[in-house]
Amino acid sequence: GAVVSQHPSRVICKSGTSVKIECRSLDFQATTMFWYRQFPKKSLMLMATSNEGSKATYEQGVEKDKFLINHASLTLSTLTVTSAHPEDSSFYICSATGLAGMVDTQYFGPGTRLTVL
Amino acid sequence: AQSVTQLGSHVSVSEGALVLLRCNYSSSVPPYLFWYVQYPNQGLQLLLKYTSAATLVKGINGFEAEFKKSETSFHLTKPSAHMSDAAEYFCAVSDRGFQKLVFGTGTRLLVSP
Repeated sequence: GAVVSQHPSRVICKSGTSVKIECRSLDFQATTMFWYRQFPKKSLMLMATSNEGSKATYEQGVEKDKFLINHASLTLSTLTVTSAHPEDSSFYICSATGLAGMVDTQYFGPGTRLTVL
Repeated sequence: AQSVTQLGSHVSVSEGALVLLRCNYSSSVPPYLFWYVQYPNQGLQLLLKYTSAATLVKGINGFEAEFKKSETSFHLTKPSAHMSDAAEYFCAVSDRGFQKLVFGTGTRLLVSP
């Protein structure tokens, strides 16, 4: 139980284009989803927290207009990197917490490797 | 504010030896504490968590951790290392009310034959 998937697992795009990453909870309803960014050999940095049907809450220093987050349903959240540039290249990981019995633990997706050329 | 300190960016052990990964936390409120493992190019997998029940927590793959409030520690141990344990391990703390996880910088466990 508590499986989170991400799609795509890897994406390469040209500078200036937009990329959408999907995060899905497969066997539970995710009331809250989180988006992290991980630089090589570094820890995870929380980018934003999203609750279903609400606007995402972004961490300080994260550009809202660059990293668009949508949490339209209890099983799906998307992160869109708009006008991507090489410095946006990173490993993006989502996590989700669920309803009763699961609210105290985040379950992580497998991550998406973004490379911007 | 909450924070986590993981002592040692790399820990090397021989197969069959004791694994000890250190984690100290700082929190102004009773914390939830977690250990996650990350294999190369993968997401994080929950090993175990402390949420105010028993202070000795047993997790998957033979790992366990003990919450010591007096030492503000939550060290991860495994009696006998296996080659498949080689990975990056992250300790994390959360504020129960807000669920936000604060991660340590990670410890890479290397296991030699």
